[in-house]
Amino acid sequence: SQQGEEDPQALSIQEGENATMNCSYKTSINNLQWYRQNSGRGLVHLILIRSNEREKHSGRLRVTLDTSKKSSSLLITASRAADTASYFCATGGVNQAGTALIFGKGTTLSVSS
Amino acid sequence: DTAVSQTPKYLVTQMGNDKSIKCEQNLGHDTMYWYKQDSKKFLKIMFSYNNKELIINETVPNRFSPKSPDKAHLNLHINSLELGDSAVYFCASSQTGAEKLFFGSGTQLSVL
Repeated sequence: SQQGEEDPQALSIQEGENATMNCSYKTSINNLQWYRQNSGRGLVHLILIRSNEREKHSGRLRVTLDTSKKSSSLLITASRAADTASYFCATGGVNQAGTALIFGKGTTLSVSS
Repeated sequence: DTAVSQTPKYLVTQMGNDKSIKCEQNLGHDTMYWYKQDSKKFLKIMFSYNNKELIINETVPNRFSPKSPDKAHLNLHINSLELGDSAVYFCASSQTGAEKLFFGSGTQLSVL
């Protein structure tokens, strides 16, 4: 069953601008993760935020989590052409045993130089 | 060294055929997965194995049969292929449960 819904579905920006993607989910979670997928490649893990955390940073990435609203956002600052990819949020269930990450539909980001 | 490798990368076949996709991980992880990504990029869990035991089996037709000979390998065999099976299949692994996943590069299956 689908859990996450990313918004927007597609985003086009210029190099140097910031990109913000949002994710909403439906059930209680243990953690929320963001992944990047370049065209024709597998998904690569970017960042994980746990349900008791509100914000996390990794390089140019900033992730926020609001469990009361069941939503998360991914901010990429000072974007580069190499950031062009699809970005997916994925949620880990409360009962981790016997569960798998459930992915949203993704946001396609295009960064032009 | 590739952490999660799957073969083949491309698979083109006729309806009704049987095909297999192989996956191996050298990360020492306990859990392996098969995900299916459709043409709209929606990624859906199919199976999960932990230490060679099946722990997740989503509503997948029984034409799909995963096999895990050891915890480093998870293969996917598909019988009587149908047009709707065309998709990209990803193998992934993780150390425990629903934590960080490491993905293979995918197998693009085209059923003609």
